Amino acid sequence: NAGVIQTPRHKVTGKGQEATLWCEPISGHSAVFWYRQTIVQGLEFLTYFRNQAPIDDSGMPKERFSAQMPNQSHSTLKIQSTQPQDSAVYLCASSRDTANTEVFFGKGTRLTVV
Amino acid sequence: GQQVQQSPTSLVLQEGENAELQCNFSTSLNSMQWFYQRPGGSLVSVFYNPSGTKQSGRLTSTTVIKERRSSLHISSSQITDSGTYLCAGKNNYAQGLTFGLGTRVSVFP
Repeated sequence: NAGVIQTPRHKVTGKGQEATLWCEPISGHSAVFWYRQTIVQGLEFLTYFRNQAPIDDSGMPKERFSAQMPNQSHSTLKIQSTQPQDSAVYLCASSRDTANTEVFFGKGTRLTVV
Repeated sequence: GQQVQQSPTSLVLQEGENAELQCNFSTSLNSMQWFYQRPGGSLVSVFYNPSGTKQSGRLTSTTVIKERRSSLHISSSQITDSGTYLCAGKNNYAQGLTFGLGTRVSVFP
């Protein structure tokens, strides 16, 4: 079990460019989550999928951010027209299901917008 | 107010000392989980402990739902225990984890 895999580990983009972050959840896990971590805000929930369907995106900034899960083995978080304030560590997590089960995190993607 | 409150904010220990980290959570949260994170490192699940007491090596977690609290006890601390310990819970009507701000533990020889 390789755990939750996130790529790339580090990404540097210029202001205004697009960034796509990838996540491969643990095989057999039906719930996939995206979080963002900054020193100022700590860990913030962004969005989650259950069985590939988007269930809750209440934490997603309304503009420029989108997440998809085209198949059970990967999810993407896309940020359009990146801004310096988007710089953060983006974490993907998965769990066997959403009801009272342990959540496992990937190592994260550190996004730096210059 | 904040749904997950952790105390203390930081803790300095001499190697070999014991420590107790506290987490108080709101009535809207359950399925408490403890994570460990080194600076710049990933989140590692330490305990999934919705209720009761669990032990793993020198670490013990106790969650008392009625009192809306969970604790993490570190016995005979080691330098490698240094890092941030985060408490998190799931909201009853949403599935994302809500995190506390963490307790930063520093263990010195």
